[in-house]
Amino acid sequence: KNQVEQSPQSLIILEGKNCTLQCNYTVSPFSNLRWYKQDTGRGPVSLTIMTFSENTKSNGRYTATLDADTKQSSLHTTASQLSDSASYICVVSAGLNAGNMLTFGGGTRLMVKP
Amino acid sequence: NAGVTQTPKFQVLKTGQSMTLQCAQDMNHNSMYWYRQDPGMGLRLIYYSASEGTTDKGEVPDGYNVSRLKKQNFLLGLESAAPSQTSVYFCASSPLLNTRVSEAFFGQGTRLTVV
Repeated sequence: KNQVEQSPQSLIILEGKNCTLQCNYTVSPFSNLRWYKQDTGRGPVSLTIMTFSENTKSNGRYTATLDADTKQSSLHTTASQLSDSASYICVVSAGLNAGNMLTFGGGTRLMVKP
Repeated sequence: NAGVTQTPKFQVLKTGQSMTLQCAQDMNHNSMYWYRQDPGMGLRLIYYSASEGTTDKGEVPDGYNVSRLKKQNFLLGLESAAPSQTSVYFCASSPLLNTRVSEAFFGQGTRLTVV
């Protein structure tokens, strides 16, 4: 069964600090991996999408890494801001037939405190 | 540009009642999806539609039905609501099916409570 596991489940950091979130997946065959940010009461918003050949991708203060060999990804945030407080969701897409679907992790809830 | 719009935003139903959740997208996307999000769990796919007029079951389709009569609209029906269907429902759309590197855009969600 395809699975996506994220750690930690929750994290509290101080404003201005950096943080790294982890994602491990067992999805086969792999097509792409995405990180989404979900603010409380809102829908997920895409941060990055990475294919098999990409091992790093940045979007502003967010940098995602992908190691397809170990099936791990990380999302690094630099100089955290209060507005970064949200859930961050790792999502993996398998490259099967048209009926395949995304597998979502349970998310990491990040709280940035002043 | 509104993106993906869901209505209603909140709904309370009694067990056994039926209702339809509405989703509209103005990005001319081919594919649309309905997910549910429960506490501590990842989003799970209920139904999806690869193109106008076609629908397919996802991971958790039981107790739901869908309709994609127009390209811009994807409706999710609850035939006879049960407390287990209490959840937050998200509609999403993408230019292509998720098997390709195709950005998915989500609506704001509908919080449904079945009592």
